[in-house]
Amino acid sequence: DVKVTQSSRYLVKRTGEKVFLECVQDMDHENMFWYRQDPGLGLRLIYFSYDVKMKEKGDIPEGYSVSREKKERFSLILESASTNQTSMYLCASSLWQDGYTFGSGTRLTVV
Amino acid sequence: GNSVTQMEGPVTLSEEAFLTINCTYTATGYPSLFWYVQYPGEGLQLLLKATKADDKGSNKGFEATYRKETTSFHLEKGSVQVSDSAVYFCALSDQGGANNLFFGTGTRLTVIP
Repeated sequence: DVKVTQSSRYLVKRTGEKVFLECVQDMDHENMFWYRQDPGLGLRLIYFSYDVKMKEKGDIPEGYSVSREKKERFSLILESASTNQTSMYLCASSLWQDGYTFGSGTRLTVV
Repeated sequence: GNSVTQMEGPVTLSEEAFLTINCTYTATGYPSLFWYVQYPGEGLQLLLKATKADDKGSNKGFEATYRKETTSFHLEKGSVQVSDSAVYFCALSDQGGANNLFFGTGTRLTVIP
């Protein structure tokens, strides 16, 4: 089975902190994604990557950046966390033209 | 463009009731269609999929049939259980590009004993 592993299930950070959310997949998938999920808003795509060192903005990239130095790892970075970034963050990976495999999610609270 | 519209929730059913969650789509090509399920506190899991018209996806007692003529992919289950309580997402893949999965907004199902 494909596994997508997110490093933390729960995080609490302070406003202004730099936050790293890590995601690792073990099936050599080309594509990786970061979403945030908020009540009533469904899933919103933040960034995605289709290759090492490649990244593309999704629907809501403001306040975030990403890094993909190795194929299996895709990091989401909050340069200066704010309370409106409190959310559930979901990482996913996929092969071309296939369904996505999701991690278990990281629930981030910014206080 | 590509989009998915699914039934607004929440849906509350008694155990053993019949479930239908409606999903319709708009697509420019010949998409694959998916249902994902998210249990409380978890990420999304693929529940079932169908890759061409008239295909039926099935898993864990859930079924959905890819209807091209009505652009629909409704999720059904004959007898729900409390353990089916979750959020269900319909999605389509447009067969092109890396960012190729478009999600509906999700439908929360609660099954009461």
